[in-house]
Amino acid sequence: GAVVSQHPSRVICKSGTSVKIECRSLDFQATTMFWYRQFPKQSLMLMATSNEGSKATYEQGVEKDKFLINHASLTLSTLTVTSAHPEDSSFYICSARDVLTSGHPKSSYNEQFFGPGTRLTVL
Amino acid sequence: RKEVEQDPGPFNVPEGATVAFNCTYSNSASQSFFWYRQDCRKEPKLLMSVYSSGNEDGRFTAQLNRASQYISLLIRDSKLSDSATYLCVVDTYNFNKFYFGSGTKLNVKP
Repeated sequence: GAVVSQHPSRVICKSGTSVKIECRSLDFQATTMFWYRQFPKQSLMLMATSNEGSKATYEQGVEKDKFLINHASLTLSTLTVTSAHPEDSSFYICSARDVLTSGHPKSSYNEQFFGPGTRLTVL
Repeated sequence: RKEVEQDPGPFNVPEGATVAFNCTYSNSASQSFFWYRQDCRKEPKLLMSVYSSGNEDGRFTAQLNRASQYISLLIRDSKLSDSATYLCVVDTYNFNKFYFGSGTKLNVKP
């Protein structure tokens, strides 16, 4: 299957600093990438949909000024957590859809490929 | 009401057992359905897509009931390596985003 990478895999930072997380599709192009957050013992919650060349679409309750998303190319999206606080500590996961198959009515073609996640700890 | 609902478990079963998980979804216009597997502190990985006619992949069988809006996953001959959290995932009608269930935890014991 397609490969998505994330960097860094783990970050520990002080409260008030900003953290940038990169998500890359390594062997395919993705017009759309997704950013999720997962707290312990909970499921993935979609934060925002990142569209190449346009503004991200944020889910209700997610502050766009705090979670800055940039999707500058078909293989790279970045999430910047600005002025991080301890409550932002979580597992952040990105995913991507292959531009060649997005929107295909057959179920398997809508698969999202997930990155390995970034574990953020804010002290 | 949540978009996707699952029994969180845990399901504790012995090796070789057959176990079934169900999941319900609220949006009747949903088009795509998946089961993902997530190991502890790892990203989700696709286990199988779920087709209207039902589909099987080795020991795993997925079923979709559109009338009742539920999806099932059957695991036969459970292995220790099947221990994980199984996530039911439903795509919106315009294939735009996934809704995840809370996951069902499976523990297969020797």
